[in-house]
Amino acid sequence: DTAVSQTPKYLVTQMGNDKSIKCEQNLGHDTMYWYKQDSKKFLKIMFSYNNKELIINETVPNRFSPKSPDKAHLNLHINSLELGDSAVYFCASSQGPGTGGTGELFFGEGSRLTVL
Amino acid sequence: AQSVSQHNHHVILSEAASLELGCNYSYGGTVNLFWYVQYPGQHLQLLLKYFSGDPLVKGIKGFEAEFIKSKFSFNLRKPSVQWSDTAEYFCAVNAHPSGTYKYIFGTGTRLKVLA
Repeated sequence: DTAVSQTPKYLVTQMGNDKSIKCEQNLGHDTMYWYKQDSKKFLKIMFSYNNKELIINETVPNRFSPKSPDKAHLNLHINSLELGDSAVYFCASSQGPGTGGTGELFFGEGSRLTVL
Repeated sequence: AQSVSQHNHHVILSEAASLELGCNYSYGGTVNLFWYVQYPGQHLQLLLKYFSGDPLVKGIKGFEAEFIKSKFSFNLRKPSVQWSDTAEYFCAVNAHPSGTYKYIFGTGTRLKVLA
């Protein structure tokens, strides 16, 4: 039973298109994240939601819009895709030790986005 | 701003060699420290973590790490590597001065173990 699941795993699309990636976690965690991993494997945080509330919003273009309909789901919508958006996008979740969790991040398997 | 440095970008070892990967962070307050591993084509998995207590922590697959507060370091070690340890290794820090959990990752170290 997958703890953090992302769909789709692969996305190939043309520049200018709009695409969405969905993420769901069944761990009961209260915080979810989106990370971007570039071709050099560098992991950069994009967004974080705690109980559906946006708490971290790094320097990310406005074309990226996260949405958290409930604390188990965090989706990422990208408008007007550009070549530089090609990357692997990882969803993750956590529950702080102060609230009964173990404090580490649990990652999904990633969604590889290729923009042509 | 908080940051994490991993000094070794690429490491190549023969099987049975000992491993030490460096990790330094910059943040003066309380931190939680992690090492994650990413096998080729897979997602990140936790190797070990330090929150408090004994600064020498043991993780899965024979890995351990030592937190040295005075040096702001959390180096990863393994006495004898195996071919299956070939992967990307990431050090991460979670500093939460305002209660917001923000996990910052280092740039990663690519380890290749030769059979």
